[in-house]
Amino acid sequence: GAGVSQSPSNKVTEKGKDVELRCDPISGHTALYWYRQSLGQGLEFLIYFQGNSAPDKSGLPSDRFSAERTGGSVSTLTIQRTQQEDSAVYLCASSGAGRVFQPQHFGDGTRLSIL
Amino acid sequence: AQTVTQSQPEMSVQEAETVTLSCTYDTSESDYYLFWYKQPPSRQMILVIRQEAYKQQNATENRFSVNFQKAAKSFSLKISDSQLGDAAMYFCAYRPYNTDKLIFGTGTRLQVFP
Repeated sequence: GAGVSQSPSNKVTEKGKDVELRCDPISGHTALYWYRQSLGQGLEFLIYFQGNSAPDKSGLPSDRFSAERTGGSVSTLTIQRTQQEDSAVYLCASSGAGRVFQPQHFGDGTRLSIL
Repeated sequence: AQTVTQSQPEMSVQEAETVTLSCTYDTSESDYYLFWYKQPPSRQMILVIRQEAYKQQNATENRFSVNFQKAAKSFSLKISDSQLGDAAMYFCAYRPYNTDKLIFGTGTRLQVFP
């Protein structure tokens, strides 16, 4: 596709369940980012993948959060044993490589609601 | 730690008028980028304008311009000739030069009245 694709668009689940959120970056983009946007808040950085380098996980709020990026393309953000405070919009972005500035292109996000 | 502050939770403007959204940031770095992103109800973040800290000239993109005051660590967005389609959440963001991580403010909701 032409843009960053995220699925599902909306997810409702019960507290304590595990969830997986998917991100398909723009083809050829080497960098992929996950952000969390809680109600009334700005975007909070979670994790960043760049090529084959080890990911920057410094923004993950707890060990219940993890992410993978398979084959340098699709990424999955997994939240285990979900809590109500995990309710938020999870946004994915990707950017290309190069010596000149590369903007981040965002998907439409996944709205996660924990009951 | 770097922080970004947007002190205006909501702003409103009449169509065709001009509005300025405020943003301040805190950093000890000398090289960095600053951005304004627009988030309409569709949730997708759209890059409006960016500024490199080493450039003294304020960035301009059509009706959007910034007032970058490096010493004051201020980065305001001016929207001229406001249009109904400008209604959205606007986020100010900071990016250190040596990393791709964006640090966002809490946003300003802009309403545009006909």
